[in-house]
Formats: sequence, structure tokens, C-alpha cells
Amino acid sequence: GAGVSQSPSNKVTEKGKDVELRCDPISGHTALYWYRQSLGQGLEFLIYFQGNSAPDKSGLPSDRFSAERTGGSVSTLTIQRTQQEDSAVYLCASSARPDTQYFGPGTRLTVL
Amino acid sequence: GNSVTQMEGPVTLSEEAFLTINCTYTATGYPSLFWYVQYPGEGLQLLLKATKADDKGSNKGFEATYRKETTSFHLEKGSVQVSDSAVYFCALRGRNNNDMRFGAGTRLTVKP
Repeated sequence: GAGVSQSPSNKVTEKGKDVELRCDPISGHTALYWYRQSLGQGLEFLIYFQGNSAPDKSGLPSDRFSAERTGGSVSTLTIQRTQQEDSAVYLCASSARPDTQYFGPGTRLTVL
Repeated sequence: GNSVTQMEGPVTLSEEAFLTINCTYTATGYPSLFWYVQYPGEGLQLLLKATKADDKGSNKGFEATYRKETTSFHLEKGSVQVSDSAVYFCALRGRNNNDMRFGAGTRLTVKP
């Protein structure tokens, strides 16, 4: 079956613009995670969705970042008024069980 | 808070050499511990895991033992192959929270 997909694979934007990043999880996976990987850094947890529960937003770095998950499936991560420090690879993962996550290929965001 | 520190890379080895990538963690309680691998051009995937002290995770010839006394989860392989060239991430998940904490990643290159 299909794995986790993300789009776009690359996004170049100008400082101050808004961007939306999309994640299509594996069908049937109730949990969905967003991470950020900056150059030379580990993965930084951003947000977690589990079923219909309220998302865990504890990792979002500022109020410019938000995410939603429609119908328990597709998720969109939105970054408003992008800054250069937002440049990173944004990774999405889904899971059916807590200890096994399946990662997408990521979206490389470059803010000029 | 919870955190993971892993050996900085890059690591370059000859085929059939012994591999160790060190990983230590800081966590409250008893986290689950993981090694993820990212092969060139691919997304992260789970390599192995251990969920309690003294457990040994193993997969594809790789092993790691959950050592509570030294708060470590070092990755080892007795004889590496060129196909093992990848970036390896140590990670933990706390018992009572949803986020995963990842290390910075260690790039391994195996030369024939």
C-alpha cells in the first residue's frame, strides 16, 4: 500500500509570505505527527494528532505555526508570515501504534 | 525535559568493520527508545526499538540494548556493509507524552 506522502517536495517562498504544507498519512492510521529538521539538527517535534482528540500543540515554536487535520486523514501545516529561520525540512509521520511511526519524504522549505 | 544526545558524525568505515554509534538520553520515568534510519533519498524508517530496561532491539544485524544505569542505547553492528550507508537517528518517547525526541543524526558512510 501507499506510504505517507507529502506535498510539495520543495517550496521556496519570500519572507513574510504564508505557506501550506500537506501530509497524506497511511490509510487507517489514527495518529499523525509533524516534525521539523533544520540543517545539522535533530528532528524537532511540532504537533501531534490522535483520532478525534484535541491535538498536542506543545511543540509549535510560535503562533505563526498552525495545523489541522480534516476528517481524521489529511493534515495541513500552515506557517504564516514566514521567516528565514523557518527554512527546514518538514516531516510528517503517521502511526497505528504509538511506538512505530512511518515517515513521509518531507517538504524542504526555503525562505528567502 | 526529555532529550537525546548522539555521537556526532560523520562516521566513515570500511566494509566489514565494527560499528558503534553512541546514544544517551535524559528522561523522566521510563521512556521507549528507538533507532531510526534514513537511507539516501528515502524517508526515515524504524530500525529497532526497546521499551524497557535491559531489552535488546535488533534488526538487519544491528543491535541496541536499553541500559537504564547508564541511560544509553548505543547502536552496534558487527560487520557493516556498503548498503548500511545512511543517517541514523536515536530517539525516545516518554511514557506520558506524545512527542518523540530525536537526536541530531549520525551520517555513516561505508566504503568497499
